Amino acid sequence: GAVVSQHPSWVICKSGTSVKIECRSLDFQATTMFWYRQFPKQSLMLMATSNEGSKATYEQGVEKDKFLINHASLTLSTLTVTSAHPEDSSFYICSARPGREGLRDTQYFGPGTRLTVL
Amino acid sequence: LAKTTQPISMDSYEGQEVNITCSHNNIATNDYITWYQQFPSQGPRFIIQGYKTKVTNEVASLFIPADRKSSTLSLPRVSLSDTAVYYCLVGDKNTGFQKLVFGTGTRLLVSP
Repeated sequence: GAVVSQHPSWVICKSGTSVKIECRSLDFQATTMFWYRQFPKQSLMLMATSNEGSKATYEQGVEKDKFLINHASLTLSTLTVTSAHPEDSSFYICSARPGREGLRDTQYFGPGTRLTVL
Repeated sequence: LAKTTQPISMDSYEGQEVNITCSHNNIATNDYITWYQQFPSQGPRFIIQGYKTKVTNEVASLFIPADRKSSTLSLPRVSLSDTAVYYCLVGDKNTGFQKLVFGTGTRLLVSP
């Protein structure tokens, strides 16, 4: 149990376009989902925390108008990178925390989405 | 600012036991210690979690001394496929491990 998927696994887009990344918890309901960004050879950096049905909480330095997060249901959160630029090229990873007892009380991570902006 | 400190890299050979130590001097009473493994271009994978003493599962052991200011991940008889980055994190289980702060991690290289 505790499987998280992301779609797409990779995407290439032109500068100025918007890209949507989906994060789904496949076999559990996630009251909270998290979005991270990882540059090559670097660690994961938390971008924002999203709770189902409420606005996301962004980390300092992350532009909320550029990285739109929607947590529409207990199994789906989306990250939209608006007006993407080459410096937004990165590996985006989501994680989800199960909302029910019985599963390990920790975060489970998706496989990541590689975004390349030309 | 990361709440944990780990060696940047370690080297080992197949079949050896590898111990990766993590320092978390400011660990709070409600914090649990969790270790993740990450392969290139993949999301982190949960390995083991503990609060104190020793925890063992099918892939690793976690040793936590009484003061909880450090922890050691032990990987028995590593293989080439254990080459990865290992992250040690501390988080408040009572708040669902909100705001996990990833440190640099330890890049483990296993050679034949």
